[in-house]
Amino acid sequence: DVKVTQSSRYLVKRTGEKVFLECVQDMDHENMFWYRQDPGLGLRLIYFSYDVKMKEKGDIPEGYSVSREKKERFSLILESASTNQTSMYLCASSFASQNTFGSGTRLTVV
Amino acid sequence: GQQLNQSPQSMFIQEGEDVSMNCTSSSIFNTWLWYKQDPGEGPVLLIALYKAGELTSNGRLTAQFGTTRKDSFLNISASIPSDVGIYFCAGQLNSGGYQKVTFGTGTKLQVIP
Repeated sequence: DVKVTQSSRYLVKRTGEKVFLECVQDMDHENMFWYRQDPGLGLRLIYFSYDVKMKEKGDIPEGYSVSREKKERFSLILESASTNQTSMYLCASSFASQNTFGSGTRLTVV
Repeated sequence: GQQLNQSPQSMFIQEGEDVSMNCTSSSIFNTWLWYKQDPGEGPVLLIALYKAGELTSNGRLTAQFGTTRKDSFLNISASIPSDVGIYFCAGQLNSGGYQKVTFGTGTKLQVIP
């Protein structure tokens, strides 16, 4: 089974901090994604990557950046965390049409 | 970005009852997917649909790809307590050479034993 591992389940950060969310997958998938999940809004795509060093903006990229230096690792960066970035963040990797998700990181910005 | 309209937003049902939920879009998709998210976990794929009109089952779950390609339905028969969770639909379409996936807003299901 594909495993997608997110480094932290819970994070609390202060406004203005730079925050790194890490995601690693172990099945050699080329495609990786970062979503945020908010009540009533479902999952919204922040950024995605189809290859090493490649990144594309999703639907809500503002305030975020990403890094993909190795195929198995896709990092989400909040350059200067704000309270409206308090959310559940989900990483996924995929083969064909089927995403496999990590367990999520619940980020609280205070 | 586009969001799919998923309904109902939440539902409380008695154990043993059947459940229906649906997803609609203003755009067509060439693949529909249904995921379930257990509390504290990431979503897990339940059913994938690839053709308009397709009806697919996975145990007590049945999903259909609408004939207009703009909607999909998920039914759960004889619900049990472990069906509790959030169910997401997702539509997929080729866009700019890659597969773009759009998720619904989710249906939160609670089952009363």
